[in-house]
Amino acid sequence: SQTIHQWPATLVQPVGSPLSLECTVEGTSNPNLYWYRQAAGRGLQLLFYSVGIGQISSEVPQNLSASRPQDRQFILSSKKLLLSDSGFYLCAWGTGAGGELFFGEGSRLTVL
Amino acid sequence: AQSVAQPEDQVNVAEGNPLTVKCTYSVSGNPYLFWYVQYPNRGLQFLLKYITGDNLVKGSYGFEAEFNKSQTSFHLKKPSALVSDSALYFCAVRNNFNKFYFGSGTKLNVKP
Repeated sequence: SQTIHQWPATLVQPVGSPLSLECTVEGTSNPNLYWYRQAAGRGLQLLFYSVGIGQISSEVPQNLSASRPQDRQFILSSKKLLLSDSGFYLCAWGTGAGGELFFGEGSRLTVL
Repeated sequence: AQSVAQPEDQVNVAEGNPLTVKCTYSVSGNPYLFWYVQYPNRGLQFLLKYITGDNLVKGSYGFEAEFNKSQTSFHLKKPSALVSDSALYFCAVRNNFNKFYFGSGTKLNVKP
């Protein structure tokens, strides 16, 4: 069966520090991968979308970047965090072809 | 462009009563619609989807949703609410490029 892992689960970082959140998927190959941010426990904003290694689509201009160095690995990064980067970050994977998304358990980032 | 709207921030219902959580969508082409549930500090869990076929879709935990093309709606329903159904519910639409866009969420409160 397929599983998705995200880490770390929680992170407290000072303004201006770097960020790296990691997501890996097991039990499937060539998944579509997604990073979402959820602010204040409500709506989800699509940040990045990837259909394959090295193929990243950015949805909104921001202080973050994403990379996909391996087929089932998706990394969210920042060189210098802002206060506004605080939030709950969710990684998800899907197969396409009408299928649903499967979400990880999320990473809560607090920037102080 | 595609989007979903959840017009209610919060829905309150008594245990044992039927519940409805509303969703309307805007999409070019055929709609691919989904419902997810989120418990506090957790990732989203898939409930059900509409791709094609019957307008009434049955999903997990006794939930169902009715697709109405003329009203561009995809409301989530359950005949008899449980206290354990209390959570945040999201409607989502998928576009032709496998990108998923989520509504702002509706908090369901089921009172004993």
